[in-house]
Amino acid sequence: AQSVAQPEDQVNVAEGNPLTVKCTYSVSGNPYLFWYVQYPNRGLQFLLKYITGDNLVKGSYGFEAEFNKSQTSFHLKKPSALVSDSALYFCAVRDATWGGNKLTFGTGTQLKVEL
Amino acid sequence: NAGVTQTPKFQVLKTGQSMTLQCAQDMNHNSMYWYRQDPGMGLRLIYYSASEGTTDKGEVPNGYNVSRLNKREFSLRLESAAPSQTSVYFCASSEDREVGYGYTFGSGTRLTVV
Repeated sequence: AQSVAQPEDQVNVAEGNPLTVKCTYSVSGNPYLFWYVQYPNRGLQFLLKYITGDNLVKGSYGFEAEFNKSQTSFHLKKPSALVSDSALYFCAVRDATWGGNKLTFGTGTQLKVEL
Repeated sequence: NAGVTQTPKFQVLKTGQSMTLQCAQDMNHNSMYWYRQDPGMGLRLIYYSASEGTTDKGEVPNGYNVSRLNKREFSLRLESAAPSQTSVYFCASSEDREVGYGYTFGSGTRLTVV
Protein backbone atom coordinates (compact mmCIF):
# COMPACT_ATOMS: atom_id res chain seq x y z
CA ALA A 1 0.00 0.00 0.00
CA GLN A 2 1.08 3.55 -0.59
CA SER A 3 0.34 6.53 1.64
CA VAL A 4 1.37 10.11 2.23
CA ALA A 5 1.13 12.28 5.32
CA GLN A 6 1.01 16.05 5.60
CA PRO A 7 1.40 16.71 9.33
CA GLU A 8 0.39 20.39 9.28
CA ASP A 9 -3.16 21.49 8.49
CA GLN A 10 -2.01 25.09 8.15
CA VAL A 11 1.27 26.94 7.76
CA ASN A 12 1.52 30.70 8.33
CA VAL A 13 4.44 32.67 6.90
CA ALA A 14 5.27 36.35 6.56
CA GLU A 15 5.82 37.61 3.02
CA GLY A 16 9.51 37.52 2.10
CA ASN A 17 10.31 34.74 4.55
CA PRO A 18 11.19 31.20 3.45
CA LEU A 19 8.41 28.62 3.58
CA THR A 20 8.34 24.86 4.05
CA VAL A 21 5.36 22.56 3.66
CA LYS A 22 6.07 19.09 4.96
CA CYS A 23 5.29 15.71 3.40
CA THR A 24 6.30 12.16 4.27
CA TYR A 25 5.46 9.07 2.26
CA SER A 26 5.28 5.30 2.43
CA VAL A 27 5.59 2.93 -0.53
CA SER A 28 6.75 -0.63 -1.06
CA GLY A 29 8.85 0.13 -4.10
CA ASN A 30 10.37 3.30 -5.52
CA PRO A 31 8.30 6.47 -5.22
CA TYR A 32 7.13 8.97 -7.74
CA LEU A 33 6.30 12.11 -5.75
CA PHE A 34 4.23 15.13 -6.70
CA TRP A 35 3.11 18.47 -5.34
CA TYR A 36 -0.11 20.12 -6.46
CA VAL A 37 -1.60 23.49 -5.55
CA GLN A 38 -5.28 24.41 -5.33
CA TYR A 39 -6.52 27.99 -5.39
CA PRO A 40 -10.04 28.75 -4.11
CA ASN A 41 -12.81 27.29 -6.27
CA ARG A 42 -10.31 25.80 -8.71
CA GLY A 43 -9.00 22.36 -9.59
CA LEU A 44 -5.57 21.11 -8.60
CA GLN A 45 -2.60 22.37 -10.58
CA PHE A 46 0.69 20.52 -10.97
CA LEU A 47 3.71 22.18 -9.30
CA LEU A 48 6.56 19.69 -9.52
CA LYS A 49 7.51 16.03 -9.40
CA TYR A 50 10.34 13.74 -8.38
CA ILE A 51 10.93 10.70 -10.55
CA THR A 52 14.62 9.93 -10.27
CA GLY A 53 17.98 11.69 -10.24
CA ASP A 54 18.75 14.93 -8.41
CA ASN A 55 17.16 15.07 -4.98
CA LEU A 56 16.35 18.78 -5.36
CA VAL A 57 13.53 19.31 -7.80
CA LYS A 58 12.56 22.73 -9.14
CA GLY A 59 9.03 23.53 -10.23
CA SER A 60 6.61 26.30 -11.10
CA TYR A 61 6.37 29.73 -9.42
CA GLY A 62 9.79 29.42 -7.74
CA PHE A 63 8.90 26.35 -5.69
CA GLU A 64 11.29 23.48 -5.11
CA ALA A 65 11.17 20.22 -3.18
CA GLU A 66 13.83 18.05 -1.63
CA PHE A 67 13.57 14.26 -1.85
CA ASN A 68 15.10 12.52 1.18
CA LYS A 69 15.01 8.75 0.86
CA SER A 70 16.34 7.98 4.34
CA GLN A 71 13.66 10.16 5.97
CA THR A 72 10.99 9.25 3.36
CA SER A 73 10.20 12.92 2.97
CA PHE A 74 9.48 15.30 0.13
CA HIS A 75 9.12 18.78 1.65
CA LEU A 76 8.03 21.71 -0.49
CA LYS A 77 10.08 24.89 -0.15
CA LYS A 78 10.33 28.42 -1.44
CA PRO A 79 13.08 30.89 -0.49
CA SER A 80 10.83 33.96 -0.36
CA ALA A 81 7.06 33.65 0.10
CA LEU A 82 4.52 35.85 -1.67
CA VAL A 83 0.97 36.67 -0.58
CA SER A 84 -0.17 35.15 -3.88
CA ASP A 85 1.28 31.79 -2.76
CA SER A 86 -1.58 31.48 -0.27
CA ALA A 87 -3.44 28.31 -1.30
CA LEU A 88 -4.03 24.65 -0.42
CA TYR A 89 -1.09 22.37 -1.18
CA PHE A 90 -1.29 18.63 -1.72
CA CYS A 91 1.49 16.08 -1.71
CA ALA A 92 0.91 12.86 -3.67
CA VAL A 93 2.76 9.58 -4.16
CA ARG A 94 2.68 6.81 -6.72
CA ASP A 95 4.47 3.53 -6.14
CA ALA A 96 6.57 3.16 -9.28
CA THR A 97 6.98 -0.55 -8.74
CA TRP A 98 3.65 -1.70 -7.40
CA GLY A 99 1.22 1.22 -7.48
CA GLY A 100 -0.09 0.99 -10.99
CA ASN A 101 -1.58 4.21 -12.28
CA LYS A 102 -3.00 5.56 -9.06
CA LEU A 103 -1.86 8.58 -7.10
CA THR A 104 -2.55 8.75 -3.36
CA PHE A 105 -2.98 12.26 -2.00
CA GLY A 106 -2.33 13.72 1.42
CA THR A 107 -4.95 15.66 3.34
CA GLY A 108 -3.58 19.00 2.24
CA THR A 109 -1.85 21.93 3.96
CA GLN A 110 -3.33 25.41 3.87
CA LEU A 111 -0.57 27.96 3.33
CA LYS A 112 -1.29 31.51 4.44
CA VAL A 113 1.23 34.21 3.57
CA GLU A 114 0.68 37.51 5.36
CA LEU A 115 2.07 40.98 4.79
CA ASN B 1 -7.48 25.05 -24.43
CA ALA B 2 -6.66 21.36 -23.95
CA GLY B 3 -7.64 19.87 -20.64
CA VAL B 4 -10.34 18.21 -18.55
CA THR B 5 -13.88 19.61 -18.67
CA GLN B 6 -16.46 18.89 -15.98
CA THR B 7 -20.15 19.70 -15.99
CA PRO B 8 -22.04 20.98 -14.14
CA LYS B 9 -19.98 23.30 -11.90
CA PHE B 10 -22.63 23.50 -9.22
CA GLN B 11 -25.62 21.31 -8.33
CA VAL B 12 -28.14 21.07 -5.51
CA LEU B 13 -30.04 17.81 -5.15
CA LYS B 14 -32.72 16.59 -2.82
CA THR B 15 -32.12 13.37 -0.93
CA GLY B 16 -33.02 10.42 -3.15
CA GLN B 17 -32.63 12.24 -6.44
CA SER B 18 -30.23 10.96 -9.08
CA MET B 19 -27.77 12.77 -11.30
CA THR B 20 -24.78 12.22 -13.55
CA LEU B 21 -21.57 14.23 -13.44
CA GLN B 22 -19.91 14.51 -16.82
CA CYS B 23 -16.19 14.58 -17.55
CA ALA B 24 -14.35 14.81 -20.86
CA GLN B 25 -10.68 15.14 -21.73
CA ASP B 26 -9.14 16.05 -25.07
CA MET B 27 -5.53 15.00 -24.38
CA ASN B 28 -5.93 11.39 -25.62
CA HIS B 29 -5.15 10.11 -22.14
CA ASN B 30 -5.73 6.45 -21.32
CA SER B 31 -6.58 6.75 -17.63
CA MET B 32 -9.35 8.75 -15.98
CA TYR B 33 -10.33 9.18 -12.34
CA TRP B 34 -13.07 10.51 -10.09
CA TYR B 35 -12.15 11.96 -6.70
CA ARG B 36 -14.15 13.62 -3.98
CA GLN B 37 -12.69 16.35 -1.78
CA ASP B 38 -13.91 16.89 1.76
CA PRO B 39 -12.46 19.22 4.42
CA GLY B 40 -9.70 17.57 6.43
CA MET B 41 -9.80 14.42 4.32
CA GLY B 42 -7.98 15.46 1.19
CA LEU B 43 -8.85 13.76 -2.08
CA ARG B 44 -10.29 10.28 -2.00
CA LEU B 45 -10.53 8.10 -5.07
CA ILE B 46 -14.06 6.98 -5.96
CA TYR B 47 -13.53 5.10 -9.22
CA TYR B 48 -10.95 4.99 -11.94
CA SER B 49 -10.61 3.71 -15.48
CA ALA B 50 -7.22 2.54 -16.72
CA SER B 51 -8.42 2.32 -20.31
CA GLU B 52 -11.53 2.50 -22.45
CA GLY B 53 -13.94 -0.24 -21.44
CA THR B 54 -12.50 -0.87 -17.97
CA THR B 55 -13.42 0.58 -14.59
CA ASP B 56 -12.32 -0.22 -11.05
CA LYS B 57 -13.36 0.78 -7.56
CA GLY B 58 -11.29 3.16 -5.55
CA GLU B 59 -11.31 3.96 -1.87
CA VAL B 60 -14.93 5.18 -1.51
CA PRO B 61 -17.11 3.66 -4.28
CA ASN B 62 -20.34 3.05 -2.33
CA GLY B 63 -23.32 4.98 -3.68
CA TYR B 64 -21.67 5.71 -7.03
CA ASN B 65 -21.48 4.15 -10.48
CA VAL B 66 -19.30 5.09 -13.43
CA SER B 67 -19.26 4.69 -17.20
CA ARG B 68 -16.26 5.01 -19.48
CA LEU B 69 -18.26 5.88 -22.55
CA ASN B 70 -15.22 6.18 -24.83
CA LYS B 71 -11.63 7.27 -24.48
CA ARG B 72 -12.62 10.90 -23.92
CA GLU B 73 -15.53 10.62 -21.50
CA PHE B 74 -15.90 9.24 -17.97
CA SER B 75 -19.16 9.90 -16.12
CA LEU B 76 -20.05 9.51 -12.46
CA ARG B 77 -23.62 8.69 -11.44
CA LEU B 78 -25.34 9.07 -8.11
CA GLU B 79 -28.41 6.82 -8.20
CA SER B 80 -29.99 7.98 -4.93
CA ALA B 81 -28.23 10.99 -3.49
CA ALA B 82 -27.59 11.22 0.26
CA PRO B 83 -26.44 14.20 2.38
CA SER B 84 -23.13 12.33 2.97
CA GLN B 85 -22.41 12.79 -0.73
CA THR B 86 -22.24 16.55 -0.36
CA SER B 87 -18.73 17.26 -1.58
CA VAL B 88 -16.61 18.71 -4.33
CA TYR B 89 -15.99 16.20 -7.10
CA PHE B 90 -12.94 16.27 -9.33
CA CYS B 91 -12.29 14.38 -12.50
CA ALA B 92 -8.68 13.81 -13.63
CA SER B 93 -6.83 12.09 -16.45
CA SER B 94 -3.30 10.84 -17.02
CA GLU B 95 -1.10 9.43 -19.76
CA ASP B 96 0.59 6.48 -18.16
CA ARG B 97 2.85 5.47 -20.98
CA GLU B 98 5.10 8.33 -19.89
CA VAL B 99 7.07 7.41 -16.80
CA GLY B 100 6.05 9.36 -13.76
CA TYR B 101 3.28 11.28 -15.44
CA GLY B 102 0.99 13.15 -13.08
CA TYR B 103 -2.66 14.03 -13.38
CA THR B 104 -4.53 16.83 -15.12
CA PHE B 105 -7.58 17.91 -13.12
CA GLY B 106 -10.88 19.46 -14.06
CA SER B 107 -12.17 22.51 -12.22
CA GLY B 108 -14.61 20.50 -10.09
CA THR B 109 -18.33 20.08 -9.40
CA ARG B 110 -19.66 21.41 -6.11
CA LEU B 111 -22.56 19.17 -5.10
CA THR B 112 -24.93 19.82 -2.21
CA VAL B 113 -27.50 17.21 -1.17
CA VAL B 114 -30.27 18.54 1.07
